[in-house]
Amino acid sequence: DTEVTQTPKHLVMGMTNKKSLKCEQHMGHRAMYWYKQKAKKPPELMFVYSYEKLSINESVPSRFSPECPNSSLLNLHLHALQPEDSALYLCASSRDSTGPEKLFFGSGTQLSVL
Amino acid sequence: QQQVKQSPQSLIVQKGGIPIINCAYENTAFDYFPWYQQFPGKGPALLIAIRPDVSEKKEGRFTISFNKSAKQFSLHIMDSQPGDSATYFCAASRTGTYKYIFGTGTRLKVLA
Repeated sequence: DTEVTQTPKHLVMGMTNKKSLKCEQHMGHRAMYWYKQKAKKPPELMFVYSYEKLSINESVPSRFSPECPNSSLLNLHLHALQPEDSALYLCASSRDSTGPEKLFFGSGTQLSVL
Repeated sequence: QQQVKQSPQSLIVQKGGIPIINCAYENTAFDYFPWYQQFPGKGPALLIAIRPDVSEKKEGRFTISFNKSAKQFSLHIMDSQPGDSATYFCAASRTGTYKYIFGTGTRLKVLA
């Protein structure tokens, strides 16, 4: 299994809502990532978890809250988002933390904030 | 110094043509240079990657050429097909980091 699975594929939420994005991989990878991608732009790194510990936070606003319950799962909790947060949110994983390693991306969650 | 400059922004070729996408970097500490392909509504997928100890790498119809002295690398797609129509991102990274510096992307269209 070489897949990174993300749910939901699409999400529409209001600015007062709370929602969560989920990501799962069963490749035994120990590094997991959240990226944000705006249309026609490259992915931007948000967070990195290494061995289930938060390793990098790229100065992301606190309305985005990551969580890594175990080595296979990664969540992104969303609260009080702004319309400018609408984007494709990509989860990725890589084998370990020594880097650089091949990144395996999921298909993403297309988020619209109204 | 952390930027990776990618060109062209968009590219249209006929089926069977050889599109070439170029990237340039500044940071000589980078030691891993992957290319990703992204179709609409999907995440990027690794196509091919190179390290600076080789000047060329080929996988199927995809070839990376790497010029360490010029700090440039390029992707060549041989015998391009309409199914290759996608956005291509170059990237650069270095050992010991999780961070990939992505280029701005090239939207390729291959005409049938």
